[in-house]
Amino acid sequence: QSALTQPPSASGSPGQSVTISCTGTSSDVGGYNYVSWYQQHPGKAPKLMIYEVSKRPSGVPDRFSGSKSGNTASLTVSGLQAEDEADYYCSSYAGSNNPYVFGTGTKVTVL
Amino acid sequence: EVQLVESGGGLVQPGGSLRLSCAASGFTFSSYEMNWVRQAPGKGLEWVSYISSSGSTIYYADSVKGRFTISRDNAKNSLYLQMNSLRAEDTAVYYCAGGDYCDYWGQGTLVTVSS
Repeated sequence: QSALTQPPSASGSPGQSVTISCTGTSSDVGGYNYVSWYQQHPGKAPKLMIYEVSKRPSGVPDRFSGSKSGNTASLTVSGLQAEDEADYYCSSYAGSNNPYVFGTGTKVTVL
Repeated sequence: EVQLVESGGGLVQPGGSLRLSCAASGFTFSSYEMNWVRQAPGKGLEWVSYISSSGSTIYYADSVKGRFTISRDNAKNSLYLQMNSLRAEDTAVYYCAGGDYCDYWGQGTLVTVSS
């Protein structure tokens, strides 16, 4: 199972929006509504930000939103803040033998 | 407060073995499916293994199948990963993660495979 494809980097100024794509296949992203997004600050553990494509866990700001179209999922961070600077990883269910396929990761920089 | 604390990492020679542990607290461990996820230095996340809440269903990534064994002890609120025949490419921080969507993560334990 190959990793999902994400752009290596994305950036925006404070207050702006940034959108990260996550491209898979019909066997993972396109086949299930089980896409998750994780935020990881340097030296820290990942944190769940979005699950089931567009749902936010308790405590995650509504500046974070998710969507999906076909084999590509997206994470949008609106109203960028300095603390949003981090690496972001998508993940998708890819069948019972492959519950998690992660993306290649995107480094978000707040200019 | 949910806590997952990994231990057991360290330096091991190629071909050697290590057993990682993950101690859980702050939630009903026996109700949660658990995973091990690793991250090689400077690289992305890689799912390693899954175990259902009862331990009856287990999956492995192809890269570790036949070498790693996941298990859990619900009475001790603990998750384990027995790693045998270790290779240089297994060098990584190993995280335990719990929940339907890897909702909760530990801080990770570093495994270095080198001679």
